[in-house]
Amino acid sequence: GQNIDQPTEMTATEGAIVQINCTYQTSGFNGLFWYQQHAGEAPTFLSYNVLDGLEEKGRFSSFLSRSKGYSYLLLKELQMKDSASYLCAVRDNNYQLIWGAGTKLIIKP
Amino acid sequence: TAGITQAPTSQILAAGRSMTLRCTQDMRHNAMYWYRQDLGLGLRLIHYSNTAGTTGKGEVPDGYSVSRANTDDFPLTLASAVPSQTSVYFCASSVGGETTEAFFGQGTRLTVV
Repeated sequence: GQNIDQPTEMTATEGAIVQINCTYQTSGFNGLFWYQQHAGEAPTFLSYNVLDGLEEKGRFSSFLSRSKGYSYLLLKELQMKDSASYLCAVRDNNYQLIWGAGTKLIIKP
Repeated sequence: TAGITQAPTSQILAAGRSMTLRCTQDMRHNAMYWYRQDLGLGLRLIHYSNTAGTTGKGEVPDGYSVSRANTDDFPLTLASAVPSQTSVYFCASSVGGETTEAFFGQGTRLTVV
């Protein structure tokens, strides 16, 4: 079966750095996405990786290793507004997105 | 810019009744999707449409139907609601079925009692 694993919840301190991991086992691979979802709101796109390596976008970076079936989202200089759920999704051979359950990130002052 | 709009935002529905969740986008995106989101589970695809006039079944299509008469609208119908369909429903769209990010509507919270 297809599976996306992420930690259920993480806690970090304002101003610090946090890494959210995602491991996947899917029927093929055609890209990995990270989305942010604030409570009660819609998911919004953060990043897309299709090749191995690190993609940097401001305070957020995303890393992919296809051979390990592994990705992480790195958030730097954490702000209170970063408190949200972070969703990992992989596009499979049928070009459908398989979603993880999300990681709830709690930022403390 | 409206983007993608869903209606209603929330609804309480008696079991056995039918209901249509509306979704409209003004971005001229080809692909549209319906997901349900349940606590502790990832988003699950119900139905999708890669272009106007075509639809396909996702991971959890039973009890739901869709149509795509034009580019902008992608309604989701529950023919006879059951309590297990209590969920938050998100409509999304993207430029093409194979590429790029998806843009999500604000969601419809449906409770079937």
